Parts: sequence; C-alpha cells; structure tokens
Amino acid sequence: NAGVTQTPKFRVLKTGQSMTLLCAQDMNHEYMYWYRQDPGMGLRLIHYSVGEGTTAKGEVPDGYNVSRLKKQNFLLGLESAAPSQTSVYFCASSYSGVPYEQYFGPGTRLTVT
Amino acid sequence: AQSVAQPEDQVNVAEGNPLTVKCTYSVSGNPYLFWYVQYPNRGLQFLLKYITGDNLVKGSYGFEAEFNKSQTSFHLKKPSALVSDSALYFCAVRDRDNNAGNMLTFGGGTRLMVKP
Repeated sequence: NAGVTQTPKFRVLKTGQSMTLLCAQDMNHEYMYWYRQDPGMGLRLIHYSVGEGTTAKGEVPDGYNVSRLKKQNFLLGLESAAPSQTSVYFCASSYSGVPYEQYFGPGTRLTVT
Repeated sequence: AQSVAQPEDQVNVAEGNPLTVKCTYSVSGNPYLFWYVQYPNRGLQFLLKYITGDNLVKGSYGFEAEFNKSQTSFHLKKPSALVSDSALYFCAVRDRDNNAGNMLTFGGGTRLMVKP
C-alpha cells in the first residue's frame, strides 16, 4: 500500500497564479483533510471531506477550494495565489470510526512570490 | 471548542536520559488524544493514542504517554532518549462526543533535541 500520496512535492507560484494539489489514498478511508503547516503554529485545518461529493470548511478556508469527486482523491485548489499562502500543505485521511487516527501524506512545499 | 497547548517550543535532553514532552488540552466533552512525530521534510507519523481504558498508553519506538483527566494533560515520555528521537512532536485532541468529521486540533509542536 502506498498510503497517502501528494502531488507535487514542491511548487513555486507567482502572485495571482492558480494551481491544484492532488491527494490520493488507497486505504479506503471515508474522511480526508487538508492542512497547512506554518512555523510555530502547528497544523491548521483548511477543508475536510466526510465522503465522496461532500466537503466542509475547517479553521482557515479562505483563498482555497476543494473537491472530492472520487472517494480516494481530494483536491485542493488555489484560484489566485498570495504570498500568505506560502506554506507546507499536508493531506490526511482516516476512517469514520475506530481507530480514529489520521494518516498523513509527505507534504507539498509551496512558495508564492 | 477544542484546543491543545504545548508549552515548550524545544526540549533538550542528553542521550540515555528520560524525556518528557508536555501537552495540555481543552475539550467540552471527553477527549481522544494523540501524539505524532515529524522528521525533517516528512509527513506526520502516528505514535500513540488515548481513547479509553488504561491511563498509561504505550506506542511506537518505546514512547508512552499518561492521560491525566484532573490536570487535562497527556505528556509524552520515554525512559531513555536516543539521538534518533530528535524530531518535531505534535499533540492533538478531538472531542469524543461533539465531532462530526473526526477533526483533530493540533498543538504548535515541540522540537526534541537529543544530544550524544
């Protein structure tokens, strides 16, 4: 099993450009999440999904959109990138019930200039 | 609402000595608690969790944590630190009773430095 994979690993954008980050999981998890990690702030939840075709806002959703057209994939979009979106982005997935822990991908380092 | 505090940005310990990484939490209901470790340029790896039962839980790589309800704490411990334990450690909490999406709230992280 590959677990949770993320594409791409690195990306540099100019202000105003758009991009999509792809997350895929092969563990048949119902729930999927997008976080951003900034120094000293831990991980903050951007959006999450409890099933195919459903998404919901997390703690810091502004400037991002998501889609979950297939159970195994969760896409994070930036329509007009801003320097404040420079961060490391992590995708995670979990079952809806036991055992509760989330499984994380390797991350995408995004720089917006 | 749920929140986590990790009061120490960094913990320094000598190899072979015991280590403790502190975590306190706040939830409106009963907590599920987790510890994760992050090595440089990697994603988070699950270490251990408290769901119910014995307050002392054991996890990967010889780590353990003790749930203390009265102090709302879940400190991570290891009897004898290794240089390879040097990493960033995150505590996380979810409210057992009020959490439709299994959402975790993470602390700010504690960097553990183990010196030879």
